[in-house]
Amino acid sequence: DSGVTQTPKHLITATGQRVTLRCSPRSGDLSVYWYQQSLDQGLQFLIQYYNGEERAKGNILERFSAQQFPDLHSELNLSSLELGDSALYFCASSLAQRSPELYGYTFGSGTRLTVV
Amino acid sequence: AQKITQTQPGMFVQEKEAVTLDCTYDTSDPSYGLFWYKQPSSGEMIFLIYQGSYDQQNATEGRYSLNFQKARKSANLVISASQLGDSAMYFCAMREGRSGNTPLVFGKGTRLSVIA
Repeated sequence: DSGVTQTPKHLITATGQRVTLRCSPRSGDLSVYWYQQSLDQGLQFLIQYYNGEERAKGNILERFSAQQFPDLHSELNLSSLELGDSALYFCASSLAQRSPELYGYTFGSGTRLTVV
Repeated sequence: AQKITQTQPGMFVQEKEAVTLDCTYDTSDPSYGLFWYKQPSSGEMIFLIYQGSYDQQNATEGRYSLNFQKARKSANLVISASQLGDSAMYFCAMREGRSGNTPLVFGKGTRLSVIA
């Protein structure tokens, strides 16, 4: 157990629908990052939240949105889903002050989204 | 422009042999960190090794070592004495800036297959 919890692990939904992916960061970590990994691709950075505020934005579609709550858990909302949104979605968390070897970037086990 | 380039989509190595996975990076920030992650077929992201831009020595972690050539902007992963369980996708990633609070940027990965 990495300490980062993502739910659900698997999700199958139809095109046009909306889903919410949830992430609980490692205890004490203030930053949450969302990544998308399409089939046989690298991880694409979507968005980062730090202590409740949006910190950095990557290649996130307008149909996607995220937020981080006061208890630091985060949700990624995907709407008007298309077949191409099928991917593995990872959440990672980090704490700036953590030692370099663990500059961490602890990843959850991911949510596998299948859009049919 | 790609910040992280992994030029080997796939590699094969004989069990018990050493293998080098290539990674080059591009940044103008003097402070950065380089990471390698392993992703087995089960999908989770496993942190392997970290190298800071100011580190004088190459990082090592068990059978993993990082061949850091700063002037060439390369950070190759060396796996010694390969094992069947090393078969996986390997990703090189970079964090720019001093803080462990910025997103990781990933390469497209190298699929390593270890042959008995």
